[in-house]
Amino acid sequence: KAGVTQTPRYLIKTRGQQVTLSCSPISGHRSVSWYQQTPGQGLQFLFEYFSETQRNKGNFPGRFSGRQFSNSRSEMNVSTLELGDSALYLCASNEAGESEETQYFGPGTRLLVL
Amino acid sequence: AQSVTQPDIHITVSEGASLELRCNYSYGATPYLFWYVQSPGQGLQLLLKYFSGDTLVQGIKGFEAEFKRSQSSFNLRKPSVHWSDAAEYFCAVGALSEGGYNKLIFGAGTRLAVHP
Repeated sequence: KAGVTQTPRYLIKTRGQQVTLSCSPISGHRSVSWYQQTPGQGLQFLFEYFSETQRNKGNFPGRFSGRQFSNSRSEMNVSTLELGDSALYLCASNEAGESEETQYFGPGTRLLVL
Repeated sequence: AQSVTQPDIHITVSEGASLELRCNYSYGATPYLFWYVQSPGQGLQLLLKYFSGDTLVQGIKGFEAEFKRSQSSFNLRKPSVHWSDAAEYFCAVGALSEGGYNKLIFGAGTRLAVHP
């Protein structure tokens, strides 16, 4: 099976703009989670989607949003970008989103906000 | 509160030497524990995981980890380190959120350097 894919891999935006990142999970996986990785805060959970519904949300402002499509592909959107949004955004998938399941990570999208 | 602590930010070992990376967790219920590795510019790759049963678990690339409930620890070990093991290592606990579904709580990571 193909792994988790994320597009684009690199992105440069300016403050105030918005950005959309895409994630295609492993075939058959219905749960998609998003994480933000920064040098200062480490890896932080953003949100999780299962069957097109957001089930969990981390402690991030409302500028961060996401959605999941019927084919389990997911997008996350960040509006009104701030310098502090510069990070590696990682997507992970697993079959049903249960705690004991392994989450499989994509290569990430590196976002630089200028 | 649920948390994961990796006390060592940086570790340097010589190639061929043994390695132990420390991980302590705080979680009220039975934890689901994971070790991931991240090479520069890459995503996270699962090394091994513990759910239940035998407290010594084997993973890929010759790594193993031991779950010690009394010490709330899940330390990662390798008997002989290779130069290609240089990377950042993350310990994580699979935690139930308010909605009852999973998320991973990560430690801050340990960056491993390997000297030839």
